[in-house]
Amino acid sequence: GEDVEQSLFLSVREGDSSVINCTYTDSSSTYLYWYKQEPGAGLQLLTYIFSNMDMKQDQRLTVLLNKKDKHLSLRIADTQTGDSAIYFCAESIGDDKIIFGKGTRLHILP
Amino acid sequence: ETGVTQSPTHLIKTRGQQVTLRCSSQSGHNTVSWYQQALGQGPQFIFQYYREEENGRGNFPPRFSGLQFPNYSSELNVNALELDDSALYLCASRIGGAATEAFFGQGTRLTVV
Repeated sequence: GEDVEQSLFLSVREGDSSVINCTYTDSSSTYLYWYKQEPGAGLQLLTYIFSNMDMKQDQRLTVLLNKKDKHLSLRIADTQTGDSAIYFCAESIGDDKIIFGKGTRLHILP
Repeated sequence: ETGVTQSPTHLIKTRGQQVTLRCSSQSGHNTVSWYQQALGQGPQFIFQYYREEENGRGNFPPRFSGLQFPNYSSELNVNALELDDSALYLCASRIGGAATEAFFGQGTRLTVV
């Protein structure tokens, strides 16, 4: 089946690293994505990784992919108050749809 | 700013009515997908259009239909609105039929009363 699971909430102190985890079920995914959604807004593509890669780094963001375990993570270094949002893990299925998780709400503690 | 624009931003309709939502794709993007995001949930795939033809559909009833125009802009039509259709409707555009980066618009918030 097609399913993406992620924890619903994460609280992190400002300046610490945030790690958001996700598991997916479809091993044929070609792309795996992380999207950010702020209150009342649409989805912002943060980063993505090809399924044949293990890691991708982009400034404060590090994506790790364990294809064997179908596990994806997003690490945000030096978390800031502006990082407070809902983060969606997603996988592409075939040539059309993207399957999203329910989102992890990241709360930043002062 | 993704270059994908949706209109209107907010809409209130009565149960049983029909609604049309619009999406203007990012320049050069010939594929558009529509998603429904209920409150507290992740987006759910409705359907996708590639070069004016529907080429993928999720688990949504036929009263959800769409169009893509030669300039690659798109419409989502929903007939016989139900209360559960209340959601944020998101459009995403990308290049080609294969999975690539998909860029989302800000969405249309539909409320059915």
